[in-house]
Amino acid sequence: DIQMTQSPSFQSASVGDRITITCRASENIADYLNWYQQKPGKVPTLLIFGASSLHTGVPSRFRGSGSGTDFTLLITGLQPEDFATYYCHQTYNTPWTFGQGTRVEIK
Amino acid sequence: QVQLVESGGSLIKPGGSLRLSCAVSGFTFSGSYMGWLRQAPGKGPEWLSYLSNTGAIIYYADSVRGRFTISRDNAKNSLYLQMNSLGAEDTAIYYCVRTSQLRRWAFDYWGQGALVTVSS
Repeated sequence: DIQMTQSPSFQSASVGDRITITCRASENIADYLNWYQQKPGKVPTLLIFGASSLHTGVPSRFRGSGSGTDFTLLITGLQPEDFATYYCHQTYNTPWTFGQGTRVEIK
Repeated sequence: QVQLVESGGSLIKPGGSLRLSCAVSGFTFSGSYMGWLRQAPGKGPEWLSYLSNTGAIIYYADSVRGRFTISRDNAKNSLYLQMNSLGAEDTAIYYCVRTSQLRRWAFDYWGQGALVTVSS
């Protein structure tokens, strides 16, 4: 199985900050990497697919990059509604696997 | 308006069986690949299974292969998950999702979830 490792697991930030979340795959997954946001008690929602494509309706302050084994989710100008847990997810091979999550909290 | 509505979640004793349903509207169900995920309390999502639009292609995670069966009825715009031999480790919220090759198999639509609790 392909292991997905996110870092950091927890990040404290302020409104307006720029934050970076990284995701590393245990083997080459090309660009089969997606990012989701989950707010407490809510259903996860798709942010980025194919490593860098913004899903419909997602604000442009979210940006994904990377290919192969190393990927990044960048959020510029953090907004109050962005405080949530973020998951990366590979779909290169089954079983499709998720990272352990990065919780972004208000400093 | 896209809607995926799961039903069938409940409290079930270990060793029991349960069938989850997902009623879909707002997109062409018969043309869509669909799947099931779950999320245990305090944990990240776990992919369980997906099947092609015709049902001819099916994949399962090792954790549920042989115990869970995914199926669909395109005439009813519905997706199903038959779960047998349930154990405490199966306690989770179960989500019905749409996946698309156009989006690198990302899950672009999610249901609200069905809670399954396995406990004696």
